Amino acid sequence: GAGVSQTPSNKVTEKGKYVELRCDPISGHTALYWYRQSLGQGPEFLIYFQGTGAADDSGLPNDRFFAVRPEGSVSTLKIQRTERGDSAVYLCASSLSSSSYEQYFGPGTRLTVT
Amino acid sequence: GENVEQHPSTLSVQEGDSAVIKCTYSDSASNYFPWYKQELGKRPQLIIDIRSNVGEKKDQRIAVTLNKTAKHFSLHITETQPEDSAVYFCAASKGTSYGGSQGNLIFGKGTKLSVKP
Repeated sequence: GAGVSQTPSNKVTEKGKYVELRCDPISGHTALYWYRQSLGQGPEFLIYFQGTGAADDSGLPNDRFFAVRPEGSVSTLKIQRTERGDSAVYLCASSLSSSSYEQYFGPGTRLTVT
Repeated sequence: GENVEQHPSTLSVQEGDSAVIKCTYSDSASNYFPWYKQELGKRPQLIIDIRSNVGEKKDQRIAVTLNKTAKHFSLHITETQPEDSAVYFCAASKGTSYGGSQGNLIFGKGTKLSVKP
């Protein structure tokens, strides 16, 4: 079946601009996670959704970052007033439910802020 | 919070040899330990995982061992092949009182494995 998909695969934006990154989880998966991966590092947790609600947003670095999942499927990560330090690969993962442990990752969106 | 340390950062082996990657974690409440393989420019791929109620799990050429007392777990790859070359990440996560996942994974910094033919 189809895995987790993310769009766009690459995004180049100027400092100060607003960006939206999209994640389509595996069909039927109710848990969705956003991570950020900098070069040479492991993925770093940002936010976790169970259904439509953010169950844990403790990883969001500041209030410029926001994510939504209005219908419990597709999620959008929104970054306002982008900074060069936001440049990274943004990964999305999904899991069957809150009682499942296995997380399956999408290919990521490479964000470059110039 | 949880902290996961991973060693070595790079590992080079000859094809056919074994490779071992080790991780330690700090939070004794962690109970789920997956390993991911990430090829250059690709998504992290779940290759094996272990929960804290078992000490070892094996799947063909890969195995994971867990020592809860010492708070460390290891990935073992036997009969390595060039296609095993990638970056490997360990991770840890906590469960809930009702048996589910508490959510986020805490990752190590990764081990770049090179298998020379």
